[in-house]
Amino acid sequence: EPEVTQTPSHQVTQMGQEVILRCVPISNHLYFYWYRQILGQKVEFLVSFYNNEISEKSEIFDDQFSVERPDGSNFTLKIRSTKLEDSAMYFCASTRGNSPLHFGNGTRLTVT
Amino acid sequence: SQQGEEDPQALSIQEGENATMNCSYKTSINNLQWYRQNSGRGLVHLILIRSNEREKHSGRLRVTLDTSKKSSSLLITASRAADTASYFCATVLNAGNMLTFGGGTRLMVKP
Repeated sequence: EPEVTQTPSHQVTQMGQEVILRCVPISNHLYFYWYRQILGQKVEFLVSFYNNEISEKSEIFDDQFSVERPDGSNFTLKIRSTKLEDSAMYFCASTRGNSPLHFGNGTRLTVT
Repeated sequence: SQQGEEDPQALSIQEGENATMNCSYKTSINNLQWYRQNSGRGLVHLILIRSNEREKHSGRLRVTLDTSKKSSSLLITASRAADTASYFCATVLNAGNMLTFGGGTRLMVKP
């Protein structure tokens, strides 16, 4: 069964550094999402992406965040200047639309 | 205010028992979904129930939806140790595909 894949599985970075989290959604899916989950807390929506543009974003998704679909397969989340509170699991998800989301296994981001 | 709150936050049962988790939400929805998350892993979709449905089954899972009370329940029958995980409800509002997750129920099934 096709899967959403995320790399790296664990990223450690220093405060103020830029990070790029990578995702390969399922190939025939059209809608792409980033969610994050701070340890022990709920899964929070960051952004949705459709037709090469952001369709919705949350208050968390401020100017420090950006998303890109640079080619037909990758979907990336960039955090320009990481803060300690950005430490979390970041999940990518995709769907064809009007169907359940398929999630990747996440990238654990640790900001020191 | 949060959309999608589960209770209990944690549940510990013996293998073979049934587990019931509840979810409440605040606004009108298009559908409600339940996901499972094993520790340190991604979320796996279990079941989707639409706003015009009242009950749905999938294997050992039974989901109910009461739109008048804005609540849903997930029942896992004849639980197994492998069912140990966190279970989240998530709502989709009447526009869009965006999921809003609740805080989850941590289920432990003891062998």
